[in-house]
Amino acid sequence: QVQLVQSGAEVKEPGASVTVSCKASGYTFTSYHIHWVRQAPGQGLEWMGRIAPTSGGTIFAQNFQGRVILTRDTSTNTMYMDLGSLKSEDTATYYCARHNFAHNFDLWGQGTLVAVSS
Amino acid sequence: AIRMTQSPSSFSASTGDRVTITCRASQGISSYLAWYQQKPGKAPKPLIYSISNLQSGVSSKFSGGGSGTDFTLTIGSLQPEDFATYYCQQYKSYPYTFGQGTKVEIK
Repeated sequence: QVQLVQSGAEVKEPGASVTVSCKASGYTFTSYHIHWVRQAPGQGLEWMGRIAPTSGGTIFAQNFQGRVILTRDTSTNTMYMDLGSLKSEDTATYYCARHNFAHNFDLWGQGTLVAVSS
Repeated sequence: AIRMTQSPSSFSASTGDRVTITCRASQGISSYLAWYQQKPGKAPKPLIYSISNLQSGVSSKFSGGGSGTDFTLTIGSLQPEDFATYYCQQYKSYPYTFGQGTKVEIK
């Protein structure tokens, strides 16, 4: 089954870091870039960045430069998003999504809620 | 960054209505325009890519159009399952950006 399965919800204190994982299955892992998108409660979709699974190359939105690290483990077909220096404004659902080149984000993970609260 | 602006932000419609949502890009994006549907608590669902190409498995009541900087998503004959929030997205250049969303509510 072609799918992206993300890790479970997290509660973090301000200043901490969080790691969200995204495991791909049912397709050739290295054939598609993986993007990360977040959505604050009641708000729209915000693109964060992407990783190329083959090279590990990354591109980030300016808002997240220096605070987000994207990595991948090709042995387990898993991507990781690390967000540091958490603030209450980082409370959101984080999604990973597969980019079908020249098309759209055609496959999404189920989302991971990250709550930042003291 | 390319700014994507949707209109309206929300509106009410009745079952059976034909509705159109507009998305405007701050600069030309060629054909790199996609539409998504999102329901509460769910991940976005891809509907359309490259302006007008229907995602596999998506109902043909959805159609996309436009060119350059102005694009539309039309839903023919709204059904209860179509009441949701719709987003456009450009993927011509980084950072990829989404419109702010259009919420379609039941009248």
